[in-house]
Amino acid sequence: ETGVTQTPRHLVMGMTNKKSLKCEQHLGHNAMYWYKQSAKKPLELMFVYSLEERVENNSVPSRFSPECPNSSHLFLHLHTLQPEDSALYLCASSQGRGDEQYFGPGTRLTVT
Amino acid sequence: KQEVTQIPAALSVPEGENLVLNCSFTDSAIYNLQWFRQDPGKGLTSLLLIQSSQREQTSGRLNASLDKSSGRSTLYIAASQPGDSATYLCAVRPDTGNQFYFGTGTSLTVIP
Repeated sequence: ETGVTQTPRHLVMGMTNKKSLKCEQHLGHNAMYWYKQSAKKPLELMFVYSLEERVENNSVPSRFSPECPNSSHLFLHLHTLQPEDSALYLCASSQGRGDEQYFGPGTRLTVT
Repeated sequence: KQEVTQIPAALSVPEGENLVLNCSFTDSAIYNLQWFRQDPGKGLTSLLLIQSSQREQTSGRLNASLDKSSGRSTLYIAASQPGDSATYLCAVRPDTGNQFYFGTGTSLTVIP
């Protein structure tokens, strides 16, 4: 595997479910990001991790819970989501916090 | 708060034409600006990164310019091809903090 990978690619979940999104980067980068992309809206930065420490939390509801166990892996734990949380969730990484970002293919999440 | 605007929202051109995509931002205190392309339902692919001290960057048929003082960047695509059809996004990283601000993109269609 090369670059940034994300699993699953598609996820349908009910509002009472708990699920997790996974991101893995094979680039040796030190910073990782979660973004939300909704139709007709700009990408919204959710969380930033640098050297496994969370350095940004953009007023994201607590039903989204990130985890970064090491510099190569990033998770987004989901619970009691709302239908408006349906979106494409993108993971990215960069060498340092201000450097060029490389994105994964995204997870298309549908909350029913 | 930084606001990023991309005009036009959609553009359709015949194959072989040279074209310019525009990105404007409201706060000139930026660290860098990055151009991406996104194919439908996919993640973002990095095209060019311009540091705040640079005026332009080139990669193949692509040339991106940056005018910080006027809050503008352009992406020039030479000799467009049908494979260039995608949505093009620009993202601005401010001088301070960990935020990235994205535009809503320009959807480009190159007609064979």
